[in-house]
Amino acid sequence: SQTIHQWPATLVQPVGSPLSLECTVEGTSNPNLYWYRQAAGRGLQLLFYSVGIGQISSEVPQNLSASRPQDRQFILSSKKLLLSDSGFYLCAWSVSGRVSEQYFGPGTRLTVT
Amino acid sequence: GENVEQHPSTLSVQEGDSAVIKCTYSDSASNYFPWYKQELGKRPQLIIDIRSNVGEKKDQRIAVTLNKTAKHFSLHITETQPEDSAVYFCAANPRSNYQLIWGAGTKLIIKP
Repeated sequence: SQTIHQWPATLVQPVGSPLSLECTVEGTSNPNLYWYRQAAGRGLQLLFYSVGIGQISSEVPQNLSASRPQDRQFILSSKKLLLSDSGFYLCAWSVSGRVSEQYFGPGTRLTVT
Repeated sequence: GENVEQHPSTLSVQEGDSAVIKCTYSDSASNYFPWYKQELGKRPQLIIDIRSNVGEKKDQRIAVTLNKTAKHFSLHITETQPEDSAVYFCAANPRSNYQLIWGAGTKLIIKP
C-alpha cells in the first residue's frame, strides 16, 4: 500500500530564517505531488504541484520554492521566512496520468516568530 | 478557470438529524468531485467522491449527489453523530489538468 511521510511535524522558526520541508511517498511510481498551505481556520491553498521529476508548477508567487529531486520526493523551501508563512503545510499525492483523489500527508505545523 | 463555492460556512445540527452541504462549480468540463473531512489538527481525508457520469453515490450514512445541468453537488450525512463534527471540503477537478479546485470549507457542529 501507499504511504506518504512529511517531516518535521512541527517547526518554530524566526523571521528571516531558511526553511526546508520534505515529503516522500512510498508504494507508487511517478505520482503527481502537491504542496498546500492552510492558515489557521482557513481553506487549502495550493502552492506547487509536480507531474514528474524537475517539473514544478507554481500557483502562488511568493518567497517559497519547490523541488522534486527524485520521483517520490518533494521539497518545499524558503530562503527567508516571513511572519505570513506561518501555517499548516500539507503534502499530497495522486495517481499519475488520470484524474483521481489526492492523499494527504500528516502535515507540518510551521510557526514563524 | 474553475471556481468552487461552498455553502454554508458553518452548519449546526442536532445529533441524529441530517446535514446537507452544497457546492457549485463553474467549469462544465469538470468531471470529478471529491469530499474531504478534516478533523481539528489533522490532515484532510477523502470520505466520498463522484464522477460526472454518475448522479448519486452512497456509502452508509454519507451520500453525494451531482446535478451537471445546474453545476452543483451536495454532501448528505444522515443520522449525524458527534464524530461527524469536523470541517468538510468539496473540490472539483477541471478536465484540463490534475489539480483540485477547493471550496472554502464547512464547519459542521453536531449538538448533543
